Amino acid sequence: QVQLVQSGSELKKPGASVKVSCKASGYTFTSNAMNWVRQAPGQGLEWMGWINTNAGNPTYAQDFTGRFVFSLDTSVSTAFLQISSLKPEDTAVYYCARTIAAAGSFYFDNWGQGTLVTVSS
Amino acid sequence: DIQLTQSPSFLSASVGDRVTITCRASQGISNYLAWYQQKPGKAPKLLIYAASTLQSGVPSRFSGSGSGTEFTLTINSLQPEDFATYYCQQVNSYPRTFGQGTKVEIK
Repeated sequence: QVQLVQSGSELKKPGASVKVSCKASGYTFTSNAMNWVRQAPGQGLEWMGWINTNAGNPTYAQDFTGRFVFSLDTSVSTAFLQISSLKPEDTAVYYCARTIAAAGSFYFDNWGQGTLVTVSS
Repeated sequence: DIQLTQSPSFLSASVGDRVTITCRASQGISNYLAWYQQKPGKAPKLLIYAASTLQSGVPSRFSGSGSGTEFTLTINSLQPEDFATYYCQQVNSYPRTFGQGTKVEIK
């Protein structure tokens, strides 16, 4: 079955960087795009962008340009989210979510379990 | 960007109730809408896509309808495991956007 397993919680100081991984199994990794979604404590879901796992090119939502980088290691079916120059307001749970093509568009059918990133001095 | 507004934001209901959640889009999105369920500490789960198509494995008490700018998620005969937060999401255009969520709690 399809599984997305994310790396564990991180505690970082402001100004540091963090790299979150999302390892996929149960399907051909390069057949489906991967999205990243942020959820701040007690808040809703915020789409960060997506990466084409076949071509490797990322697309970022406007609020996630500059300090956020999506990357891949297709040899191990893993997507990565790197955040640099961390700020306290980056404290959130970060989810990866697989895209499927259905009914003329693309939907998020499988999600990782989430990675809590806490930024605090 | 397309804004999605869910109503209500909070709903108190009893087991066995029929519950309806509305999602309104700031512009027409055809039927490119999904509904997700999220329980505390867990990842969202896809319930419905293309506004009305039930994702595999999702109980038939969940149903979705709508097109254009107004959509509804209905849960017939609410079960204890259905108490959660529900989000709509549009996939008509980028950036993908979510509604603010509707929390369904036990009365």
